[in-house]
Amino acid sequence: QVHLVQSGAEVRKPGASVKVSCKTSGFSFTSHYMSWVRQAPGQGLEWIGRIHPEAGSTVYAQKFEGRVSMTRDTSTTTLYLELNSLTSNDTAVYYCGRRCPYCGGDASLDFWGQGTLVSVSS
Amino acid sequence: DIRVTQSPSSLSALVGDRVTITCRASENISHYLNWYQQKSGQAPKLLIYAASHLQGGVPSRFSGSGSGADFTLSVSRLQPEDFATYFCQQSYDTPTTFGGGTQVEVK
Repeated sequence: QVHLVQSGAEVRKPGASVKVSCKTSGFSFTSHYMSWVRQAPGQGLEWIGRIHPEAGSTVYAQKFEGRVSMTRDTSTTTLYLELNSLTSNDTAVYYCGRRCPYCGGDASLDFWGQGTLVSVSS
Repeated sequence: DIRVTQSPSSLSALVGDRVTITCRASENISHYLNWYQQKSGQAPKLLIYAASHLQGGVPSRFSGSGSGADFTLSVSRLQPEDFATYFCQQSYDTPTTFGGGTQVEVK
């Protein structure tokens, strides 16, 4: 069965960077777009971007362009999200999600990781 | 970006009630609208995709309808495990965008 297992909580100071991982299993890693979505405390869902694991090609939300990087390691079927120049506004739970292959659209997500809390505080 | 407006932001209901949540997109998104359920401390779970298609394993008391810009999620007979927050999402255009959420609480 499909599993997405994310790395543990992180605490960073403003201006720092964070790298979150998402280990996948149970499906063909190179066949599905994967997205990253975040949720600030008590708030809604915000799409950060997506990566196609086979080619490594990425599309980022404009808001994050220039300070986000999504990468993957096909040998370990793991995705990575790196966010730079952190501010307190980046405090959120970060989720990875798999594109649903039959749902339509590039960001309909049928499986999600458990989430990684990133806290940014001085 | 396509704006997605969800209403109400919260509602109170009893077990056995029928509840309805609406979602309106700022432009025509055809049928590219998904619904998710999120329980406290958990990741969202896909309930409905492409406006009206029930995701596998989701109880049939959940249903979705609509096309174009106006969509509805209905729960026919609310069960205790249905008290949660629900989000809609448009997957028509990039970036995908989500509604603000509807918290379904116990009356």
